Amino acid sequence: GAVVSQHPSRVICKSGTSVKIECRSLDFQATTMFWYRQFPKQSLMLMATSNEGSKATYEQGVEKDKFLINHASLTLSTLTVTSAHPEDSSFYICSARDRIGSFSGNTIYFGEGSWLTVV
Amino acid sequence: QKEVEQNSGPLSVPEGAIASLNCTYSDRGSQSFFWYRQYSGKSPELIMSIYSNGDKEDGRFTAQLNKASQYVSLLIRDSQPSDSATYLCAVRGAAGNKLTFGGGTRVLVKP
Repeated sequence: GAVVSQHPSRVICKSGTSVKIECRSLDFQATTMFWYRQFPKQSLMLMATSNEGSKATYEQGVEKDKFLINHASLTLSTLTVTSAHPEDSSFYICSARDRIGSFSGNTIYFGEGSWLTVV
Repeated sequence: QKEVEQNSGPLSVPEGAIASLNCTYSDRGSQSFFWYRQYSGKSPELIMSIYSNGDKEDGRFTAQLNKASQYVSLLIRDSQPSDSATYLCAVRGAAGNKLTFGGGTRVLVKP
């Protein structure tokens, strides 16, 4: 089946530094990718919608200058957490929409997630 | 009011019994509804999708949708310990293509 790969799966960084998380669709083209954040025992919160070749659309309350999203190709989107702080520690998950299929749950694929710990 | 609401649980179910999960949503124009299962520390995996009123069955899972009542449910028959997880209801609204998730219901199936 379709695979979305995230890297790294776990990362620890120092407060004030930046960290990049990659989301790749391995066997399909994704015009749209979504970035979510999930704190412990809470649900997924959509951060932004990433569209290939254009600027990301951020949800209300999400700082676009802090969470930089780049979707330069149909198979890769990146999320960079800039000047990370301990409160940014969370589980970050991407999902990708298959360019070919119509929008349905069967063509929205989730990555494995990336655990970020800021110390 | 949250856009998608679920009872947080935990819902404790004996092995072999039916687990019933509920979800309500606020956007009356919503068109697509999904149930995801998420194990602790893992990303969600799709269980069911439903688009029209009524029931949809897939194996031990049955999704039920009532758009007039803005309500979608998931039944898990013959519950197994491996079904113990958090179940997330997700809704695609009338505008745009993003999914909005409920808070999830934690299910515990006891042997």
